[in-house]
Amino acid sequence: QSVLTQPPSASGAPGQGVTISCSGSNSNIGRNYVYWYQKFPGTAPKLLIYRNNQRPSGVPDRFSASKSGTSASLAISGLRSEDEADYHCAAWDDSLSGWVFGGGTKLTVL
Amino acid sequence: QITLKESGPTLVKPTQTLTLTCTFSGFSLNTFGKGVAWIRQPPGEALEWLALIYWDDNKRYSPSLKNRLTISKDISKNQVVLTMTNMDPVDTATYYCAREEGLDGMDVWGQGTTVTVSS
Repeated sequence: QSVLTQPPSASGAPGQGVTISCSGSNSNIGRNYVYWYQKFPGTAPKLLIYRNNQRPSGVPDRFSASKSGTSASLAISGLRSEDEADYHCAAWDDSLSGWVFGGGTKLTVL
Repeated sequence: QITLKESGPTLVKPTQTLTLTCTFSGFSLNTFGKGVAWIRQPPGEALEWLALIYWDDNKRYSPSLKNRLTISKDISKNQVVLTMTNMDPVDTATYYCAREEGLDGMDVWGQGTTVTVSS
C-alpha cells in the first residue's frame, strides 16, 4: 500500500478538465512540498509539478496543482489525447526520512 | 544537458545480490545540495523510493528495505551504485535513478532498467 493515496483512475473528454487528488498525512504532505510526475508506459517519469504548484520549463500551463493541509491535487484543463498517462504524486516524509509516492492515477482521455 | 543512465543485469536468481549502476552527466555529485535517488516500479504497481545519497555522502534508505540496500558513489566516475541483497521474485521491477535537487525534487530521471528475478 502506498503512503500517499490517489484514485486509481480518472477520465475526461477532450477539451474538458480533470482533477486528480493525492492524500497524505502531517509527516509528508502536511509539512513538505508535493511533486507530480507524468509517466507513459515504458518511459521514465517526467517531473510535471514541483514545490506544490511550480511548473518546470516546457510544461504547459494546462497543468496546475495545489495543496491544502494534508492533501494535494493536480488539475489538467483542455484535455488532449496526449495527456493520457499515469500521474504520480510524491512528497518527502519526515517520519520515514525518505520519499513517498502515491499509487498513481491512470488518466483516460475519452 | 543532464542525463542519467542505469545499467546492470536484466536477470538475477533468487537469493542473489543485485548491483545497479547509475552513470550521470551534466552535474556533479560533489556540489552542495545534490543527490541521486533510486526508485523502482514493479509491473502494474506504484513507484517505490529505495535509497538516496547526497553530495556529502549522507545516505537515506527505505525503512522497509534498509537491511538489504547499500548505496554508494564514485565521484571520479560520476556514478552511484545500489546493491540489493537476497533478491526475490517480488523484486522484479524497472529500476530508475534520478537526480535529487533538494526542494526542487527528483527532477531528471534515467530511462530505467528492467530486472527480473527468476530461477
